Amino acid sequence: EMQLVESGGGLVQPGRSLRLSCAASGFTFDDYAMHWVRQAPGKGLEWVSGISWNSGSIGYADSVKGRFTISRDNAKNSLYLQLNSLRPEDTALYYCAKSFGIGYYYYSAMDVWGQGTTVTVSS
Amino acid sequence: EIVLTQSPGTLSLSPGERATLSCRASQSLSSSYLAWYQQKPGQAPRLLIYDASSRATGIPDRFSGSGSGTDFTLTISRLEPEDFAVYYCQHYDSSPTFGRGTKLEIK
Repeated sequence: EMQLVESGGGLVQPGRSLRLSCAASGFTFDDYAMHWVRQAPGKGLEWVSGISWNSGSIGYADSVKGRFTISRDNAKNSLYLQLNSLRPEDTALYYCAKSFGIGYYYYSAMDVWGQGTTVTVSS
Repeated sequence: EIVLTQSPGTLSLSPGERATLSCRASQSLSSSYLAWYQQKPGQAPRLLIYDASSRATGIPDRFSGSGSGTDFTLTISRLEPEDFAVYYCQHYDSSPTFGRGTKLEIK
């Protein structure tokens, strides 16, 4: 069974940092691009960042560009998101998601999702 | 950035009825790179449709997608009680974006 498990969320003060992790299992991790998607309380889905299978192609939403950094370790079947200079508007449930289909770029639908990890930015 | 506009914001229907949800892109999508997701409260999204009209694995055939260019539609032919949820469209013609969602509620 394909599975994604996120961790690393928590309560953090504005301006501080946090690192999210996503552990993948049940599929060949380094065959697929991966994504982070977030959902603020009571709001819709917002794509945050994507990364190709070999980290050669990376993209960010304008709202996080320059503050967040996506990375992956294929040897550990893990995806990461470094969140710096956090703002209250970054408060959300952060999902890790697997790209649907094998392709180089992170431009894709998402067919496997974790249950998310909650980030709360507040003083 | 491609903006996706979903309508209506809320759709009130009864079980057994047909649901038609719309997603309009701010610019034409090449190769119909559009997906639809279903999300129920407290759950992660579930992929329903990819490439505008292909059903994902395990999705019932009452769900169908259509459209091309800038106008796309998700149709649920005969609503079951478990279909009442929020539906999102998402493009992947470039860096992905999601629409704001349509809430399908029981009338």
